[in-house]
Amino acid sequence: DAGVIQSPRHEVTEMGQEVTLRCKPISGHDYLFWYRQTMMRGLELLIYFNNNVPIDDSGMPEDRFSAKMPNASFSTLKIQPSEPRDSAVYFCASSPGVAGSPLHFGNGTRLTVT
Amino acid sequence: RKEVEQDPGPFNVPEGATVAFNCTYSNSASQSFFWYRQDCRKEPKLLMSVYSSGNEDGRFTAQLNRASQYISLLIRDSKLSDSATYLCVVVNTGTASKLTFGTGTRLQVTL
Repeated sequence: DAGVIQSPRHEVTEMGQEVTLRCKPISGHDYLFWYRQTMMRGLELLIYFNNNVPIDDSGMPEDRFSAKMPNASFSTLKIQPSEPRDSAVYFCASSPGVAGSPLHFGNGTRLTVT
Repeated sequence: RKEVEQDPGPFNVPEGATVAFNCTYSNSASQSFFWYRQDCRKEPKLLMSVYSSGNEDGRFTAQLNRASQYISLLIRDSKLSDSATYLCVVVNTGTASKLTFGTGTRLQVTL
């Protein structure tokens, strides 16, 4: 099993640009999560999907952030326009969905907005 | 008050020492608890679940105190390879798939 695959690993962009982060969950996992991690705030849940449907997006900071899951094997997190305060590591994770089942994280995308 | 709180550390301990971390949670309806481990610049990985009666996995012991709303992680005979950040995770009733992470406690084991 390849695990959760995220791309790109690193992204450096200028303020105002659009950023798209990508994630391929583990096959068969019904849940997909997007987290953001910073030194100050730790890991914050942005949004999660169940069977490709967004269930809770209350963690999405503002309208500049959007996430989609067009099929069971692919999700995107888009930031438009990006701002320096969006700089963080963005993790995608998936799980089989049974209550309390562990999350399997991807390697993360380190985003720097200058 | 944060939903999940941890002492950020760092905890600096010599190899072979015993070290314990606590984590407090605010929602009394929380139903599931976990410890994750995160190495520097890596993704978090599940270390162990925390059961009501307490549980052990080798040198690691996890305990839950529902009355005081905290969980703990005890590491015996610390190894250099235990150096990492330990994240406390809570799952609340009604949001069974939503895991809330603490900000982590950093452990540094030295020679």
